[in-house]
This record gives sequence, C-alpha cells and structure tokens, in this order.
Amino acid sequence: QKEVEQDPGPLSVPEGAIVSLNCTYSNSAFQYFMWYRQYSRKGPELLMYTYSSGNKEDGRFTAQVDKSSKYISLFIRDSQPSDSATYLCAMMGPYGGATNKLIFGTGTLLAVQP
Amino acid sequence: DAGITQSPRHKVTETGTPVTLRCHQTENHRYMYWYRQDPGHGLRLIHYSYGVKDTDKGEVSDGYSVSRSKTEDFLLTLESATSSQTSVYFCAISEGRGRPETQYFGPGTRLLVL
Repeated sequence: QKEVEQDPGPLSVPEGAIVSLNCTYSNSAFQYFMWYRQYSRKGPELLMYTYSSGNKEDGRFTAQVDKSSKYISLFIRDSQPSDSATYLCAMMGPYGGATNKLIFGTGTLLAVQP
Repeated sequence: DAGITQSPRHKVTETGTPVTLRCHQTENHRYMYWYRQDPGHGLRLIHYSYGVKDTDKGEVSDGYSVSRSKTEDFLLTLESATSSQTSVYFCAISEGRGRPETQYFGPGTRLLVL
C-alpha cells in the first residue's frame, strides 16, 4: 500500500464548476501538506501548503486537512480552462524527523471545459 | 521556475552509456533534490543534498549517483543507463531547515534510453 493515495482521474468539469481534489494517507506522522500544480511538460509549481489540520484559503483555492481521517482536499472555485493541469498532493513529517522528505501522490489530471 | 535550470532538457541515449544531468540554481538554497516522474508512480526521490559534498539516498537510488561540489550545482549520473531509467527527471530546491519544507522545481529533463 502506498503511503499517499490519489485518484489519477481524469476529472472533467465545465467552466465555473467547483472542483474537489483529494488525497488519503496512511502515515500519521505527516504534518506538512502541500498541493502542486503541473502543466503538461512543465515542472510542478507549489500552489499551497498547510501545517497540521485546518483550512487555508488563497483566492479561488482552499486547502483542507483532516488529520483524524488522514484526508486532505483542494477545492477550486469558479474553475477556469487555465486550471487544466495535473494536481499533485505532497506530505512531510515533522522537521528533522525520519520522514522529513516529501512523499507525493501520483497526481489527478483535471480538464476544465470552456 | 524559481531560478532553477536543468540541462540537457532532452536526451536520447543507448543502453550501457553513462549519462550526466545537471541542475543549476541561482537562489543559494541549501537543499537540492533529484526526482524521477513516471506514470502511475508520481514523483519519487532519487537523491538529495543538504550542502556542498553532503548527499543522501532517496527512495529509488539504485543505478544513480550524485555530486555537489558547489552550492549552485547538483549533478545526477546514470553510471550505465538502462531502459528502466527512461523517465522525466526533475531537480528541486528548498531553503531547508527553519521553515516548512517547500520545494521549487525545475523544468525537467526528458531522458529516453534505447
């Protein structure tokens, strides 16, 4: 079983829809949670990161962490065709601990149709 | 791409030949990483460096070696390339300790081993 599971999609939605992207994980030591966006043939770019549980909002993007369920989500409001990309979740344990390396999900391919 | 360049961007080589990929950063970040990205596996850590001449293995280090003689350069070498090393290789950098481990990625190198 992988430490981080992510549905590969593809997920196709109409422009303006609310998108929900999710990851589950098995290692309760993870404390830092990141979302990366990767356009085709480009490197991943950091969208958001959160520490421990709770929500974090940045414009149309909201990251949510539920450590009790080992479940993280990224919501995209008013989705745009320019949001079409692969979204990768990534996680890390406590700083200086055995798990101080990023563990990535496999990514979800999102297509926003005009 | 956060002041990170990778060279070459594309390479085709034959089984058994040595290959060296270069990552160069202008951010003076302490930590540098090499990942490979394959369908169904996501991003997997090959090796990382936490300072000049300080390196350590990642999840998939067999068949790879690295060197870091200057802060700005991190080299990945495939001693004798195999077809299973056909992949997209990404370099990443981070500021490391003192803040959450957010990593910034380069544009990638596409390697095809025939």
